[in-house]
Order: sequence, then C-alpha cells, then structure tokens
Amino acid sequence: SQTIHQWPATLVQPVGSPLSLECTVEGTSNPNLYWYRQAAGRGLQLLFYSIGIDQISSEVPQNLSASRPQDRQFILSSKKLLLSDSGFYLCAWSVWGGGYGYTFGSGTRLTVV
Amino acid sequence: QKEVEQDPGPLSVPEGAIVSLNCTYSNSAFQYFMWYRQYSRKGPELLMYTYSSGNKEDGRFTAQVDKSSKYISLFIRDSQPSDSATYLCAMSLNQGGKLIFGQGTELSVKP
Repeated sequence: SQTIHQWPATLVQPVGSPLSLECTVEGTSNPNLYWYRQAAGRGLQLLFYSIGIDQISSEVPQNLSASRPQDRQFILSSKKLLLSDSGFYLCAWSVWGGGYGYTFGSGTRLTVV
Repeated sequence: QKEVEQDPGPLSVPEGAIVSLNCTYSNSAFQYFMWYRQYSRKGPELLMYTYSSGNKEDGRFTAQVDKSSKYISLFIRDSQPSDSATYLCAMSLNQGGKLIFGQGTELSVKP
C-alpha cells in the first residue's frame, strides 16, 4: 500500500534561518507531488507541484523553493525564513492521470520567531 | 470572486443531528468533486469522491453534486463527537488535475 511520510512534525525557526522540509512517498511510482500551506483558519494554498523529477511548477511567488531530486522525494526549502512563512505545511501525492484525489502527509507546523 | 466558496463556520450541532455542509463554485467546467476531513493538527483525508452530478452514499455520509446550480453538499447523518473536524470541499477540471479547495468548514458535534 502507498504511504507518505513528512517530517518534522513541528519546527520553530528564527527569522533569517534556512528551511528544509522533506516528503517521501512509498508504494507508488511517478506520483504527482504537491506542497501546500495552510494558514490558521484558512484554506489550502498550493505552493508547488511536480509531475516528475526536476519538474517543478510554482503557483505563488514567494520566499520558498521546491526540489524533486528523486521520483518519490519532494523537498521544500528557504534560504532565509520570514515571519510570514509561519504556517502548516502539507505534502500530498496523487496518481499520475488518476482522479482519486490527493493523499496528504501529516503536516509540519512551522513557527518562525 | 474565489473559484470555490465555503462557509468557514464554526458550526456547532448536538450529537445525533443531521449536518449539512456546502460549497459553491464558479467554474462550470469542474467535473470531479471531493470532500476531505481534517482533524486538528493533522493532514486532510479523503472522505468522499464523486464525478459529475448526482449522489453518493457511504455509511452516514452522503455527497451531493448539483452542477446546474454549481453547488455541492455533504450530509452527515447521526453525527458523532468523532465527526468534529474541519471539512474541506475540493474540485478539479479533469481526472488527475489540480484540486481547488474551499476554505473549510469547522464542525463541532457536542455530546
């Protein structure tokens, strides 16, 4: 069966520090991968999506970047965090060409102080 | 205007009540409709998935799509305290396409 792993679960980082959040998927090949951010009391904002290795699309210009060095690995990064980067970050995957929705990871709660 | 509108609530109901959650959308080309449930501090989990118009039932949950009105609903019968969560609607234009999410409705079921 397919599983998605996302870590860390919580993170407190100072302003100006770098960020690296990792997501891996098991049990499937060539998944579509997504990074979302969810601010308190708000919906899901799509940040990046990827249909293959090194194929990344950015939805919103921001202080963040994403990379997909391996088929089932998706990394969200920042060189210098801003206070506004605080939020709940979710990784998700879907079947390429499939229509069964997304499967989400358990999320990372990032607080920038 | 947002593509998908959903009342954020919060919605509070007594245990055993029938709950109705709704979303409206503006793009008539949406064909795939989903409902996700998100418990506090957890990732969303897929609850219901429907294609085009009609109803789909799964246990205490019924998803309804009215494409003519651009309106989707999720009904929860005999609601339980364990149903307390945020419910997000989502939709896409095509199979495997990007999902557009509603803001989510926070539901609290009181014992």
